[in-house]
Amino acid sequence: GESVGLHLPTLSVQEGDNSIINCAYSNSASDYFIWYKQESGKGPQFIIDIRSNMDKRQGQRVTVLLNKTVKHLSLQIAATQPGDSAVYFCAENKNAGKSTFGDGTTLTVKP
Amino acid sequence: GAVVSQHPSWVICKSGTSVKIECRSLDFQATTMFWYRQFPKKSLMLMATSNEGSKATYEQGVEKDKFLINHASLTLSTLTVTSAHPEDSSFYICSARTNDYGYTFGSGTRLTVV
Repeated sequence: GESVGLHLPTLSVQEGDNSIINCAYSNSASDYFIWYKQESGKGPQFIIDIRSNMDKRQGQRVTVLLNKTVKHLSLQIAATQPGDSAVYFCAENKNAGKSTFGDGTTLTVKP
Repeated sequence: GAVVSQHPSWVICKSGTSVKIECRSLDFQATTMFWYRQFPKKSLMLMATSNEGSKATYEQGVEKDKFLINHASLTLSTLTVTSAHPEDSSFYICSARTNDYGYTFGSGTRLTVV
């Protein structure tokens, strides 16, 4: 079956440092990947997405890298801020349908 | 941007009663919405895909008679937890796909069954 997983359940970084959150997926047929941020008691918030025909996409302070050879996805956050503290999920979609979520990485930013 | 409004944000109900959760797309039409369930410190688990004007598609292991889904219009999907029991207590989240903004999620509903 398909699964989406994250390498580390928690990550702690100093304010101002860069953060890298990793995700491994198993379904080679996946064609669309999304990173979400979820703050406590709230629904997930879309951060950035990438299609399988790309290997890198940049947003504001965030970059997503996709390595289809090893089925690995990463989210890089530049100059991490206290407001970035949250749980981050990667999700995989096939054919614009339902999302399969990984387990989540809790990012804590230390002042 | 695309906004999905979910109500209520929290609800407490007695065992055996039913609870309805609403999910509305405020500024776009959503032919398809998704309902998820999330346990504390866990990931989101897809329960069902809600299709406007037709029956919902349930994931394996989700009781369709327990979790009734209605998608009567292009802007509203509802999830009704029937005859709720304490094990149904959870965080329920809806989402809708938008062309420009990917997938937008509601703010979630915290259900507590006592």
